[in-house]
Amino acid sequence: KNEVEQSPQNLTAQEGEFITINCSYSVGISALHWLQQHPGGGIVSLFMLSSGKKKHGRLIATINIQEKHSSLHITASHPRDSAVYICAVIRRGGSQGNLIFGKGTKLSVKP
Amino acid sequence: NAGVTQTPKFQVLKTGQSMTLQCAQDMNHEYMSWYRQDPGMGLRLIHYSVGAGITDQGEVPNGYNVSRSTTEDFPLRLLSAAPSQTSVYFCASKSDRGRYEQYFGPGTRLTVT
Repeated sequence: KNEVEQSPQNLTAQEGEFITINCSYSVGISALHWLQQHPGGGIVSLFMLSSGKKKHGRLIATINIQEKHSSLHITASHPRDSAVYICAVIRRGGSQGNLIFGKGTKLSVKP
Repeated sequence: NAGVTQTPKFQVLKTGQSMTLQCAQDMNHEYMSWYRQDPGMGLRLIHYSVGAGITDQGEVPNGYNVSRSTTEDFPLRLLSAAPSQTSVYFCASKSDRGRYEQYFGPGTRLTVT
């Protein structure tokens, strides 16, 4: 069983829709990352959080440590949001840089 | 700042050939790592380094060597390439001071025939 599971694997939305991507993990963690990988392949960090909620523009990330679950929300989705969104965790007690990745959620936003 | 740079962007090797994937960062980050990304799988850690002169194995280290002689550079060596090493390779770095975000290079797409 993967230590980090994401759902859904694939998601198609119409422009303007509210989108939620889920991440569940089975290990104790010290932090969780949400990453974005565009079709060109580059990976950028969107959020790193260890509790509560963070917001950046139309993106909101939440984490519930007790339930071992995090969500990434996109409000008013746009075709430029089309990308693969990846959840990754830092195992508690592990090296701060060693990430364990989910397989990603491929999002396609249609105009 | 250039951030994290990787060369080459693309490479085709024949089985048994050797090569070095280059990675450099100009942010004075202590932590650097190499990941591979394969279809249907998440990124997996190959090797990492917490500072110059210090390296350690990740989840899938077999067939790869690394060294860290300077803070800036962290090359990944394939000693004898195999088709199973066909993948996209990403280098990443982060500051060791606290839980800061990771910065990823643009990736190297390697095909071994």
